[in-house]
Parts: sequence; C-alpha cells; structure tokens
Amino acid sequence: AQSVSQHNHHVILSEAASLELGCNYSYGGTVNLFWYVQYPGQHLQLLLKYFSGDPLVKGIKGFEAEFIKSKFSFNLRKPSVQWSDTAEYFCAVNAQDGGATNKLIFGTGTLLAVQP
Amino acid sequence: ETGVTQSPTHLIKTRGQQVTLRCSSQSGHNTVSWYQQALGQGPQFIFQYYREEENGRGNFPPRFSGLQFPNYSSELNVNALELDDSALYLCASSLAGTRREQYFGPGTRLTVT
Repeated sequence: AQSVSQHNHHVILSEAASLELGCNYSYGGTVNLFWYVQYPGQHLQLLLKYFSGDPLVKGIKGFEAEFIKSKFSFNLRKPSVQWSDTAEYFCAVNAQDGGATNKLIFGTGTLLAVQP
Repeated sequence: ETGVTQSPTHLIKTRGQQVTLRCSSQSGHNTVSWYQQALGQGPQFIFQYYREEENGRGNFPPRFSGLQFPNYSSELNVNALELDDSALYLCASSLAGTRREQYFGPGTRLTVT
C-alpha cells in the first residue's frame, strides 16, 4: 500500500531562516506529487505539484520542491521564510497505476511556526 | 470562478445517529472526492465520485456512502455514527483523471458525542 512520511511534525523558525520539510513516499511505480498548505483558519491550498519533467518544481510564494526518484523523496524548500508562512504543510501522492481514481495519500503534516 | 463550498460548517451528533454532509464542486469540475481528517492527522481518502458513480474507495466501512448529482454536487452520508467519526470532512473537486490537482473546500467539522 502507498504511504507518505513527513519527518518533521513541528518546526519553529525565525524569519529569514531557510526551510526544508522532508517527505518520503512508498510506491514503486510512477507517482504524481503535491504539497498542500493550510493557513490558520483557511482551507487546503495547492502549493506546488510534480507530474513529470524537471524534478525541481517551483510553486507559489517562493516555495520549491525537488523530486528525487532514487530516494522516493519530494522535499519542500524555501530560502527565506516569512511570518506569513506560518501554516500546516501536507505532502501528498497519487499513483499512476492505470486506474481512474485520483486518490491522494497524505502525510500527517508539518506544523510550521515562524517567529518574527 | 466559484470555489468548492461545503455545508454545514460544523455540527454535533449523537452516537448512533445519521448525518449528511454536502458539497458543491468548483465550476467546471466533474469529479468529487471526500476525505476525513482526524485531529493531528492528514486527510484520508474516503471515496470519489465521477459521473454520478463511485469511482474508487478508501478503507472505510459501508456505513459511509455518497451520492453525486447531475450538477456534480455531492453528499456524504454516514450511518450509525461512532465517536471515532468525529473529524473534519473535506470535499475536493477536480477534472477527471489522475494528473489533476484537487481543489478543497473549507470542510465540515463533525463532533459525535
């Protein structure tokens, strides 16, 4: 069965610090990869996605993620965080297994708190 | 462009009761997925609807059921509520296919006492 692991459950950073959130998945086939963000009081929003091609993908608000197939990883990065990046971040995967179901498997989330 | 909407925002039910949650998909989207998000967890896939039929199901018992209507809106029904059903229920809409991003609604917070 597919699964997604997010190693950091709670991260606290000061403004301007660099961010890297880990995400590993278990599935041997082709996958689509996503990072979603949930700001306080708001619903889940797509931050970025990877389907194919360049493994370094750029998303909104200066975020980027790198797909490393050999490591089954899709880590999220931002060079300099802002207080407004305080949110919960979810990594998600769906498998391109020939089926028609667009079923997302989510990690448990990482709560990021940025201190001004 | 209208986003995904869900109703009600929150509700409280008693163990053993039944509940219906509603979702209106984003304009132009024909696929609706439902997820359960327990406290401190990531969303878990319940099922997906496409063309008014269930198009995939997660590891949830049959007392979780759904409907999709011709206008692509959807309902999630849960019978015989249990305390562990307390969670945030999220609806997401998309176009059909796996290479499609899903757009989430604000969720319905269900508390079972």
